[in-house]
Amino acid sequence: TQLLEQSPQFLSIQEGENLTVYCNSSSVFSSLQWYRQEPGEGPVLLVTVVTGGEVKKLKRLTFQFGDARKDSSLHITAAQPGDTGLYLCAGPFVGSSNTGKLIFGQGTTLQVKP
Amino acid sequence: DARVTQTPRHKVTEMGQEVTMRCQPILGHNTVFWYRQTMMQGLELLAYFRNRAPLDDSGMPKDRFSAEMPDATLATLKIQPSEPRDSAVYFCASGSQGASNIQYFGAGTRLSVL
Repeated sequence: TQLLEQSPQFLSIQEGENLTVYCNSSSVFSSLQWYRQEPGEGPVLLVTVVTGGEVKKLKRLTFQFGDARKDSSLHITAAQPGDTGLYLCAGPFVGSSNTGKLIFGQGTTLQVKP
Repeated sequence: DARVTQTPRHKVTEMGQEVTMRCQPILGHNTVFWYRQTMMQGLELLAYFRNRAPLDDSGMPKDRFSAEMPDATLATLKIQPSEPRDSAVYFCASGSQGASNIQYFGAGTRLSVL
């Protein structure tokens, strides 16, 4: 059974601090995605990583795909209150790379206090 | 600005009543997904369609839930009869087959069954 496990589940930090969120699996994924969900809204795609070892940056957010394509991390530098939300990692079901069906992690709830 | 539209945004009903949630996918997208999100279970896939045909509804309680796509611009999720344990946020997402599995989510329907 494919599973994506995220850690930590909850994170409450002060503005300006750095943080890292992890997404781990025992399965190999062809790609992994990160979504952010703000209160009262649906998840919105932040980034897709497709190559083992790949690093992508989105302003203060750095995403990394593990060499073996079984894990990913999201690092936020100098967090701001606007970064508050639920961060979800997701990957395609094995055998479903052509259908769009995704498996989601449980999410990491981030609160950044001013 | 293309987006997935879900109605209603909020629904409060009494146990035993029928609930219908509607979704208008992004024009041109051929896959539609229905998810349920709760604190305990996270984001669960209920059903999904490709080119209006149901591909997988194994995540849905068959005795009370039904999902349809009467046409390419409308997807519906019905619960009859509703139960308090159905209280959750229901999301619809759409995507294009082969487009890197990216899913675009609506803002969700928050359902409360009393």
